[in-house]
Amino acid sequence: AQKITQTQPGMFVQEKEAVTLDCTYDTSDPSYGLFWYKQPSSGEMIFLIYQGSYDQQNATEGRYSLNFQKARKSANLVISASQLGDSAMYFCAMRGFGQEGGSYIPTFGRGTSLIVHP
Amino acid sequence: DTGVSQNPRHKITKRGQNVTFRCDPISEHNRLYWYRQTLGQGPEFLTYFQNEAQLEKSRLLSDRFSAERPKGSFSTLEIQRTEQGDSAMYLCASSHRTVANYGYTFGSGTRLTVV
Repeated sequence: AQKITQTQPGMFVQEKEAVTLDCTYDTSDPSYGLFWYKQPSSGEMIFLIYQGSYDQQNATEGRYSLNFQKARKSANLVISASQLGDSAMYFCAMRGFGQEGGSYIPTFGRGTSLIVHP
Repeated sequence: DTGVSQNPRHKITKRGQNVTFRCDPISEHNRLYWYRQTLGQGPEFLTYFQNEAQLEKSRLLSDRFSAERPKGSFSTLEIQRTEQGDSAMYLCASSHRTVANYGYTFGSGTRLTVV
């Protein structure tokens, strides 16, 4: 089984500041992938960033970076230089590769609501 | 092909009625997923297709729910005898087998309200 935990129901950040959204995971699959998605009020899930469990470097995509700490089983999303348009729900997700009971079906956390203040 | 398309965007139905939702994935994507999302929760997996084969179903998918993907193209999700607890956003996602590591493309969802 695999599990994603997001402990921050809501986060507030000042425009242009950086913010970290927490995500911890649990799986017995030795190979897995971690994702972050953004869901604005319109409802669409927007893919932001991916980290493979065997990737040596932390993933980055523009203002998004993933702080991957494998030993701690954490995959925090860092958003630099926050913008008003970043206000949305953010979901952490993972998928396994079918080994040791891991599922290749993506499992999502409960999400964190981010509000960016001007 | 600009993305995953879901229809309708919104559906209001009376309790006990049947509803059907449609998902058109990205044309070259052979994998298709249905998720349900209730207020304040993350998406919960319902069912998964690889081409036309339904390979996995969640325990959430009661016998009132059925999904099909004829010919491995679009998919439909039908809910029979709807209940108020079925009110949720129903999300469809697709991916390609060889690029699944790089994210799953979601549609905008169908918001179901059962009154």
